[in-house]
Amino acid sequence: GQQVMQIPQYQHVQEGEDFTTYCNSSTTLSNIQWYKQRPGGHPVFLIQLVKSGEVKKQKRLTFQFGEAKKNSSLHITATQTTDVGTYFCAGDNAGKSTFGDGTTLTVKP
Amino acid sequence: NAGVTQTPKFRILKIGQSMTLQCTQDMNHNYMYWYRQDPGMGLKLIYYSVGAGITDKGEVPNGYNVSRSTTEDFPLRLELAAPSQTSVYFCASRGQGATYEQYFGPGTRLTVT
Repeated sequence: GQQVMQIPQYQHVQEGEDFTTYCNSSTTLSNIQWYKQRPGGHPVFLIQLVKSGEVKKQKRLTFQFGEAKKNSSLHITATQTTDVGTYFCAGDNAGKSTFGDGTTLTVKP
Repeated sequence: NAGVTQTPKFRILKIGQSMTLQCTQDMNHNYMYWYRQDPGMGLKLIYYSVGAGITDKGEVPNGYNVSRSTTEDFPLRLELAAPSQTSVYFCASRGQGATYEQYFGPGTRLTVT
């Protein structure tokens, strides 16, 4: 079945540093979504990407979908303490959703 | 709209007991999902439904059952609880069309001892 892998598993940064998490799928994805989960909370949708090579920005966050639609990345510029949490990517295949294991970001003030 | 609601928030079960986790959404979404999240881990799909009357297995369906008799409700049944089912359970829903955004409930924290 479809597998979605994320790296790194953990990332510790100093406030103001940049952060990137990578998502790789074993199969071609029709779409990819990114979610953020704060400690003790539930996943909250950030964005979806559907086109090959697509790049979307949300303030300090930049999301990319690979040309082959098998990988994606999330980049945060100049991290803030409010960015802490776990970031997940997810692919959907005919309604069946597969999540990566997430990257947990901690930010030192 | 309340969005996706889950009950109970917390539950402790003894080994071998059964229970039903309730999930309701008021957004008229066709797709509904049950995930489990073990400590420090990602979300594993247990079961999903693409509409009322239709359910399908996810990655980790063993030990669970679901039903989808209405659009709004998607209960998850645990039969013969085992310690391996200790986890946080999230229900989610999404609409049809070009948006794949899933809306998650607050979760149910289940401990089996």
